[in-house]
Amino acid sequence: QSALTQPASVSGSPGQSITISCTGTSSDIGNYDIVSWYQRHPDKAPKLMIYEDNQRPSGVSDRFSGSKSGNTASLTISGLQAEDEGDYYCCSSEGRRNSYVFGSVTKLTVL
Amino acid sequence: QVQLQESGPGLVKPSETLSLTCSVSGGSVSRRGASWSWIRQPPGKGLEWIGDIFYSGSTNYNPSLKSRVTMSVDTSKNRFSLKLSSVTAADTAVYYCARFITESDCFDMWGQGTMVTVSS
Repeated sequence: QSALTQPASVSGSPGQSITISCTGTSSDIGNYDIVSWYQRHPDKAPKLMIYEDNQRPSGVSDRFSGSKSGNTASLTISGLQAEDEGDYYCCSSEGRRNSYVFGSVTKLTVL
Repeated sequence: QVQLQESGPGLVKPSETLSLTCSVSGGSVSRRGASWSWIRQPPGKGLEWIGDIFYSGSTNYNPSLKSRVTMSVDTSKNRFSLKLSSVTAADTAVYYCARFITESDCFDMWGQGTMVTVSS
């Protein structure tokens, strides 16, 4: 199973909004598989930011939002802050929920 | 707050077996509705799910690694383990352990990751 496709990098200035795309196929994202998003800072444990396509865990800022259309899921961060800088990756749970595929990781730079 | 911590050798020789353990604190590996995964990221590449295990010992493995992977769980010590046999340089990666919540279809807790290098 191929990895989901994400842009290698995105950037934005403080206060701006950015969107990170996560493109799969009609066999995964386009087949109603569930998408989640994770943030990773250097030398820290990855953090869940979005689950079930568009749900935010308790404690995650409402500046983070998720959406999905067709074969593509998206993570939008509004009002960019310096602390948002880091790596982001998506994950799709496959079919019978016993196999998972990740995106190729996007590095977010806050200018 | 649940915390996961990976441990194991940072250097493994080619053809040998990679062994890692994930210790869970602040929560139980016997939790219903959860499974416990291993995920890795080779240098310069994306994340790859290796497999998971339930408290019962039931496992699911990535088909691409299935022939070399063995996972186990020790509920008495609240930890779970990974063994990957016949390693090559391609198995060099940061290895993460994580908890998957079935109801939410997501990995809600992760360890910091541990770097494992395969080299003679």
